[in-house]
Amino acid sequence: AQKVTQAQTEISVVEKEDVTLDCVYETRDTTYYLFWYKQPPSGELVFLIRRNSFDEQNEISGRYSWNFQKSTSSFNFTITASQVVDSAVYFCALSGLNNQGGKLIFGQGTELSVKP
Amino acid sequence: KAGVTQTPRYLIKTRGQQVTLSCSPISGHRSVSWYQQTPGQGLQFLFEYFSETQRNKGNFPGRFSGRQFSNSRSEMNVSTLELGDSALYLCASSLPSGSADTQYFGPGTRLTVL
Repeated sequence: AQKVTQAQTEISVVEKEDVTLDCVYETRDTTYYLFWYKQPPSGELVFLIRRNSFDEQNEISGRYSWNFQKSTSSFNFTITASQVVDSAVYFCALSGLNNQGGKLIFGQGTELSVKP
Repeated sequence: KAGVTQTPRYLIKTRGQQVTLSCSPISGHRSVSWYQQTPGQGLQFLFEYFSETQRNKGNFPGRFSGRQFSNSRSEMNVSTLELGDSALYLCASSLPSGSADTQYFGPGTRLTVL
């Protein structure tokens, strides 16, 4: 069975602090995809990144970076120099192949609060 | 390019009623997936439609159904509403190209069942 675990339910930081959101996944698929989404208070899920299981390169996009490690089944997300606008719920998600391409398995989400 | 749109944004219904939610995907996207989000269960996959056919289904009772039209627009229906059906219903669209394409989400429909 596929599963995504985000052990951190809530994180609170002060603006300009760095923060890492953890994501651990379980799957028996050899080919799979991992995603991060952001859900601000408005409710819409905003896509941040997609990574396939064959690409373990870390990715950096502005203040955001992602560390994918197959050996530990983790796909962690770091925000550098956090800002108040980063306050949101962040979801990690997993999708496999084998006719499951349209189905995302989400973690429970981590609510990030960035205080000024 | 316009994003995924969902109507209505808010709905209040009473137990036993039925409800229909609508989703218009991003232009050119042919796959539509539906998710239910509740505080207790989180985000759960309902079903996915591609080319007017249901391709994947989550673990929800038969009261939850959907369909997709030839223009890729999708509707989901919940019959005999229960209090536990109160949730944010999110629709997402993707191309697809055969692999796990990125899903882009709409703003959701917040359903309250009284």
